[in-house]
Parts: sequence; C-alpha cells; structure tokens
Amino acid sequence: AQSVTQLDSHVSVSEGTPVLLRCNYSSSYSPSLFWYVQHPNKGLQLLLKYTSAATLVKGINGFEAEFKKSETSFHLTKPSAHMSDAAEYFCVVTALNAGNMLTFGGGTRLMVKP
Amino acid sequence: GAVVSQHPSRVICKSGTSVKIECRSLDFQATTMFWYRQFPKQSLMLMATSNEGSKATYEQGVEKDKFLINHASLTLSTLTVTSAHPEDSSFYICSARYPGRSPYEQYFGPGTRLTVT
Repeated sequence: AQSVTQLDSHVSVSEGTPVLLRCNYSSSYSPSLFWYVQHPNKGLQLLLKYTSAATLVKGINGFEAEFKKSETSFHLTKPSAHMSDAAEYFCVVTALNAGNMLTFGGGTRLMVKP
Repeated sequence: GAVVSQHPSRVICKSGTSVKIECRSLDFQATTMFWYRQFPKQSLMLMATSNEGSKATYEQGVEKDKFLINHASLTLSTLTVTSAHPEDSSFYICSARYPGRSPYEQYFGPGTRLTVT
C-alpha cells in the first residue's frame, strides 16, 4: 500500500520570500514521487519528479524538492515566491507494486501576498 | 508533445439526464487513459482506468453502470455520467499514459466542470 500526506492544507507567504510545502509518503516499494501544480479550474501540470536518480530534483519555475528516504519526505521548495505561484500543489507517489497507479496527497493551497 | 484535451470544459445538465465528457490525446496514441474526480477543495480520486479495446477497470466504490467509460480509439476515451444527480457535480479530469515512456508518467487534461441542477 502507498499513501501521501501533505502536512499543510494552506500555506501563505509574502512575495519574494521562500516557499516550503511539506510532503511525507509511505510505500512498501521503491517509490517514484512527483509534485503537480493546479491553477483554478485547470488541469495538473508536472513540476518535478523523483525516480531513484539524484535525490535533489530541480523542476520548472524555480521549484526543487529533495527526496529523503530516512525521513520518508519529499518537500517542495522555492527560494523566492512569485504571485503567479499561487495555486494548489499536489504531492503524488507511485511504485511498481502499485501498478504504477498514482496516489495523490490532499493538496496544499499556496497563497502569495504582495 | 503529450497534450491531452477535454471537452466540454464546463457543462450544466438537469437532474436525470446523461452527459458525455471526451478526453483526447492530441499528439500521441494512448492505450491507457485514466479518469479522476475532484470535489471542491479536495484531492483527485481515481475513478477508473480506461484501456483501448477492452472494458474499463473501476476503482472500489465507483458505480460502473453510472459512469460509463468507452475507449474506442487510441486517441479518445469518453466518460458518460448517466442519470446525473446533483451529487455527481464535480470536476472530472482525465489523463493518459504516453507509450514508450515510463508507465507512471501521466499527462493530464484541463478538466471538465460538471454541474447538475
């Protein structure tokens, strides 16, 4: 079985300050992990993915995430928030023993204040 | 590449009627597509896996007779909500696997907002 927990349902930051969105996962097999972003009434866009290569993964729009097996975490960070970053973010896990089916976290709504 | 479209983007229907949502892979052939449902302020829940030329595989708790899925071609999967009720109002998102790429990679459509009055 696999699961994902996003520790914060809402995160609010000021423009220009760092962003941290937290994600913990559970998987009985070597996981692949993703972060997706969803703007209002839009589909999901892949930000970045971890697939057992480098543990520090860089994605689009300045986002990055670090896979920490010992902490079963895959937190998403960005050094400086932009107004356009305001959206819903989903942490997603999959693994071979899950038939590569995606399991989504509950989502974190990021708000960026001017 | 790997663009997935959905039509319509929004639909309003009356209770008791049926509505069809289309999911198309525009620049690739997708043997496997997925249908998700998203309630307001909630995460995505997988409803079913759609395989071209065969019956869809439904997740536990999803009524297959209510949510009819047809994957008749390599670029088109349809979800028909039959005898819709207000509780079926939701955001429906499809995704598709890209052949030859990692099996976990899914490309998502923009979603369809269904409102049942």
